[in-house]
Amino acid sequence: AQKITQTQPGMFVQEKEAVTLDCTYDTSDPSYGLFWYKQPSSGEMIFLIYQGSYDQQNATEGRYSLNFQKARKSANLVISASQLGDSAMYFCAMRGGFTGSARQLTFGSGTQLTVLP
Amino acid sequence: AAGVIQSPRHLIKEKRETATLKCYPIPRHDTVYWYQQGPGQDPQFLISFYEKMQSDKGSIPDRFSAQQFSDYHSELNMSSLELGDSALYFCASSGERDAGSYEQYFGPGTRLTVT
Repeated sequence: AQKITQTQPGMFVQEKEAVTLDCTYDTSDPSYGLFWYKQPSSGEMIFLIYQGSYDQQNATEGRYSLNFQKARKSANLVISASQLGDSAMYFCAMRGGFTGSARQLTFGSGTQLTVLP
Repeated sequence: AAGVIQSPRHLIKEKRETATLKCYPIPRHDTVYWYQQGPGQDPQFLISFYEKMQSDKGSIPDRFSAQQFSDYHSELNMSSLELGDSALYFCASSGERDAGSYEQYFGPGTRLTVT
């Protein structure tokens, strides 16, 4: 069984500052993938970044980077230079393995990020 | 770039009615997933299809069924609707054949309201 834990129900950050959203996970799969999605108030689920368990380097996508610490089972999302449009719910998710029945995503409870002007 | 298409975007039904949600995956994606997101909740996996065959089943009620057609679009059929079925229903697709393409891309969702 897989479990994703996001311990920050809400976070506030000043515009142009960096913010870290926490995510820890638990799995018995030797191979897995970690994802971050952004869900604005309009409801759509926007893919942000992906990290494979065997990737040697931390994933980066523009202003988003994933601080992957495998031994600690954490996959924190770092957003640099926050913008007002970053205000949204952020979900961490995991996919266990890459074959068979382990493809679906297990989500954390989410972190509501508010960027202050 | 083409994205996942879902229809309808909004649907209002009464209790005990039926509903059909449609999903058109990204071209050349061979796997479709359905998720249900209740108010204030995280998305929960319902069911998935790989190459038109059901590949996994999650917390999908027996009142719901789904299938994937020859053109890879998928439909989620919901019968005997209950108030608790009110939720945002997402379809996601991924291209399992593409090396390293493990990302799941979500459609805009169908917001179902049962009254």
